[in-house]
Amino acid sequence: KAGVTQTPRYLIKTRGQQVTLSCSPISGHRSVSWYQQTPGQGLQFLFEYFSETQRNKGNFPGRFSGRQFSNSRSEMNVSTLELGDSALYLCASSSGTAAGTEAFFGQGTRLTVV
Amino acid sequence: GENVEQHPSTLSVQEGDSAVIKCTYSDSASNYFPWYKQELGKGPQLIIDIRSNVGEKKDQRIAVTLNKTAKHFSLHITETQPEDSAVYFCALGGNTGFQKLVFGTGTRLLVSP
Repeated sequence: KAGVTQTPRYLIKTRGQQVTLSCSPISGHRSVSWYQQTPGQGLQFLFEYFSETQRNKGNFPGRFSGRQFSNSRSEMNVSTLELGDSALYLCASSSGTAAGTEAFFGQGTRLTVV
Repeated sequence: GENVEQHPSTLSVQEGDSAVIKCTYSDSASNYFPWYKQELGKGPQLIIDIRSNVGEKKDQRIAVTLNKTAKHFSLHITETQPEDSAVYFCALGGNTGFQKLVFGTGTRLLVSP
């Protein structure tokens, strides 16, 4: 069974640009959550998508957005990049059918903003 | 609100020793408590989890205990091996009805041969 796939693995962007990251969950999983990991703030929840609908959102500015497609693949977008957006972005896949089900993470996308 | 404190931040043990990492939380509505292991350059890997209707769960060399009254849960690794060296995160879930996890700040475990 294939795991969670995130692409690309690494990205370098310039301040002010926008970026799109992709996540393919485990086959059959309908929930995709996104997290930002930085040395200073640790792992912070961005948002969760289930069956193409955002059903939970963390405390991030509106520059961070996402969507989910009918095949459960998800993308997140960050517009008007700032230096502080440099981080490891992780997505987690779960069945999502009940609160607190097992979540499996991808390898992450390392975003560097210069 | 949701908050979880994790201790210690670093832990150094000799191979074969036991390691214990503890997390305390404040939100009594949390009912799902997973532990993740993150190796350098990789995403967090789920190693064990426990739900609020269970006090202890064991899987080979790792175990998790939960004290809901005191609001703390712990990860126990016995007979540690160098390959156990990684950063370990505790997390809380289940209180929002969805999949959001609130993570601890992590414990860097170093197992010396």
